[in-house]
Amino acid sequence: GNSVTQMEGPVTLSEEAFLTINCTYTATGYPSLFWYVQYPGEGLQLLLKATKADDKGSNKGFEATYRKETTSFHLEKGSVQVSDSAVYFCALSDQRGGKLIFGQGTELSVKP
Amino acid sequence: DGGITQSPKYLFRKEGQNVTLSCEQNLNHDAMYWYRQDPGQGLRLIYYSQIVNDFQKGDIAEGYSVSREKKESFPLTVTSAQKNPTAFYLCASSIQGQGWGGYTFGSGTRLTVV
Repeated sequence: GNSVTQMEGPVTLSEEAFLTINCTYTATGYPSLFWYVQYPGEGLQLLLKATKADDKGSNKGFEATYRKETTSFHLEKGSVQVSDSAVYFCALSDQRGGKLIFGQGTELSVKP
Repeated sequence: DGGITQSPKYLFRKEGQNVTLSCEQNLNHDAMYWYRQDPGQGLRLIYYSQIVNDFQKGDIAEGYSVSREKKESFPLTVTSAQKNPTAFYLCASSIQGQGWGGYTFGSGTRLTVV
């Protein structure tokens, strides 16, 4: 069945460091891929998405490229800020519009 | 503004009581979902509904019940049969059949057993 695997956290970085959070997936067909962010005590917010191979999703300085050959959708940011501290979830949805499958989440902590 | 409203934000339950968590959306979305989140863990699907008057069990439905009498509303009841109900509960919605759109989430309800 479909599944999503994220790198384990917590990830701790200094402000202005480069961020990568790895996400790989297993799915049949051509799923859509998403990154969600959850700030403490809140619900999840859609950060970015990509719907087909080689698409790059981007938002607020974050980027992720849909790599079908490596079944990956790694999240990157060139210079993190303290305000980026949150839990990040990778997810996929099949083309039929079925349920999203979430990874286990990766906690990011950015220190000043 | 369209969105999903969950209420209450905090809820306290005595052991043996049933409690109902509210989830209302004005996005005209067909599908709605309930997730449970425990500290430091990911999301686990409790129930979902793709259309009014129909719903399906998710991965951890035991001890929970739902109804979908209106398109806008998908309340979750945590029954006394749920042995460990303390958790953060998230409601979400989506346009059915358009998985590329992803989900819209509410801000969550934190349930604590006292």
